[in-house]
Amino acid sequence: NAGVMQNPRHLVRRRGQEARLRCSPMKGHSHVYWYRQLPEEGLKFMVYLQKENIIDESGMPKERFSAEFPKEGPSILRIQQVVRGDSAAYFCASSLSQGNGNTIYFGEGSWLTVV
Amino acid sequence: QKEVEQNSGPLSVPEGAIASLNCTYSDRGSQSFFWYRQYSGKSPELIMSIYSNGDKEDGRFTAQLNKASQYVSLLIRDSQPSDSATYLCAVNIRGSTLGRLYFGRGTQLTVWP
Repeated sequence: NAGVMQNPRHLVRRRGQEARLRCSPMKGHSHVYWYRQLPEEGLKFMVYLQKENIIDESGMPKERFSAEFPKEGPSILRIQQVVRGDSAAYFCASSLSQGNGNTIYFGEGSWLTVV
Repeated sequence: QKEVEQNSGPLSVPEGAIASLNCTYSDRGSQSFFWYRQYSGKSPELIMSIYSNGDKEDGRFTAQLNKASQYVSLLIRDSQPSDSATYLCAVNIRGSTLGRLYFGRGTQLTVWP
């Protein structure tokens, strides 16, 4: 019963480096969402993707952040030239479809620390 | 601005008591409401979802929704120490994609034996 799988679980990067976070949705799910949780903050929506398409990126910072969900392989959230303020937990979630009654399921998260 | 407000707590109740968690939201277009439980360092776990006014019960959990007052609550009966966690209220706005949820900051609940 594989859930949403994220890796790495913990990542340490120096300022200016790149961070790549990976997410494999639940089996059969084609909708992927990325959320960020800053310390002492609530979860904030970043981006919604379906296979090979970005559907809603209204929550993504305008610079340095990008996301993809290729036809094969996991979804990737990429953060270029990381800064200390990027230190946060990044959660991926997936859903089977968009209809009412469908639920999104969260992965265990990737904790990014920028030093 | 679509805001979801929760009492930050912490809320502390004795084992066996009823824990009451509250949430208000600002957007009248909100249509789906969720309560997630998050243990420290873990992922949010869906506890309850509610879509229409009234109460919805699932085991020891009861969600209450009042759209006129823009208020949703979660009651936990017979609280257990294992219920100690942060509870997140989340809202989906009509017309938004399913997975685009607006979360409150969470209420930290401690149940002491």
